[in-house]
Amino acid sequence: DTAVSQTPKYLVTQMGNDKSIKCEQNLGHDTMYWYKQDSKKFLKIMFSYNNKELIINETVPNRFSPKSPDKAHLNLHINSLELGDSAVYFCASGQINQPQHFGDGTRLSIL
Amino acid sequence: GQQVMQIPQYQHVQEGEDFTTYCNSSTTLSNIQWYKQRPGGHPVFLIQLVKSGEVKKQKRLTFQFGEAKKNSSLHITATQTTDVGTYFCAGPGNTGKLIFGQGTTLQVKP
Repeated sequence: DTAVSQTPKYLVTQMGNDKSIKCEQNLGHDTMYWYKQDSKKFLKIMFSYNNKELIINETVPNRFSPKSPDKAHLNLHINSLELGDSAVYFCASGQINQPQHFGDGTRLSIL
Repeated sequence: GQQVMQIPQYQHVQEGEDFTTYCNSSTTLSNIQWYKQRPGGHPVFLIQLVKSGEVKKQKRLTFQFGEAKKNSSLHITATQTTDVGTYFCAGPGNTGKLIFGQGTTLQVKP
């Protein structure tokens, strides 16, 4: 049973395209997160939703739009992809301030 | 703003040598968490420390939380090739998010 699953695992696309990444958790957690990990391994929080409400919105370009239809799902839509968006995107879930469970990651490459 | 600093950034050791990574927070933490990310993998939660001065062990791994609850360390005794990966510490921020250190990437030469 996969606890936090995100799709797709790999995403290769052209600059300027729009793409979505989906995430689902079956752990019953109230809070879900999106992180971006660059080539230097730094984990940068992007967004967090608690019970479908946005609670964390870091300084992320507004080309990135998260959506949480219910507390088990948090999707990420990216418009007008740029070269600098190439990274690994991790979804995670947990209770606030408590340990988080991460998905396998989506490796996004912009051509 | 609130920061969690981790050193060293990289460490290469010979198999069998010990390894330590250090984590320092700019503010007092309610808890400190440690994660391990294998190459090509995702961060996996290892342990959480809550009490001042707490020490916990998991086989060859020893985790400490400082008396002031602002620093922590992870020590691995007699490293093995299976210990390869990036180790992250993380502490709760005051806005409901976890603040991660930059990570220490461990390479083990067989």
